[in-house]
Amino acid sequence: NAGVTQTPKFRVLKTGQSMTLLCAQDMNHEYMYWYRQDPGMGLRLIHYSVGEGTTAKGEVPDGYNVSRLKKQNFLLGLESAAPSQTSVYFCASSYSDRDYYEQYFGPGTRLTVT
Amino acid sequence: ELKVEQNPLFLSMQEGKNYTIYCNYSTTSDRLYWYRQDPGKSLESLFVLLSNGAVKQEGRLMASLDTKARLSTLHITAAVHDLSATYFCAVDISGANNLFFGTGTRLTVIP
Repeated sequence: NAGVTQTPKFRVLKTGQSMTLLCAQDMNHEYMYWYRQDPGMGLRLIHYSVGEGTTAKGEVPDGYNVSRLKKQNFLLGLESAAPSQTSVYFCASSYSDRDYYEQYFGPGTRLTVT
Repeated sequence: ELKVEQNPLFLSMQEGKNYTIYCNYSTTSDRLYWYRQDPGKSLESLFVLLSNGAVKQEGRLMASLDTKARLSTLHITAAVHDLSATYFCAVDISGANNLFFGTGTRLTVIP
């Protein structure tokens, strides 16, 4: 049982390049989330999904797109990377059949945009 | 706009001492979560508090929730170096399906 995994762990991009971050979970969770973490700003929600085929915007969605084609995977895309997107990205998942949303986090992806 | 504020943002304390981290939030919520993050690592769930007056304890950490005051506390008893980490609180609000995180409290325990 791997929990939540993220690929890649590190990445350096040049401004304007594109990339996709992959999140996978093996806990059969309905809900999945993408956050970014910047120094002194805590975690900010980018996009989230409440089930396969659904996505919704979070607090800071601009510049990112997401897809949830399979229940276990949640992809985060950067179409044209900017230096302001340099950050650590965390994926998380949670149950939907409980009265609370305790989230389980992946190990993170450290992205640098030059 | 929901605000989740933690106090203090930075905390340096000596081993063996007690201290409390505070988490205030600006809207009605019955559910509050505490997470721990070690440097360069992911977030680990510590406590889930689901009702007013809820108290949970694990080792040297104890968390409580006062929904009327919109306040949660994380109390550290007889701190040890292994507790050095950043602690986040988070709340969820009805219908939101997600969590709103505070900015974190970076705790350093000095031998």
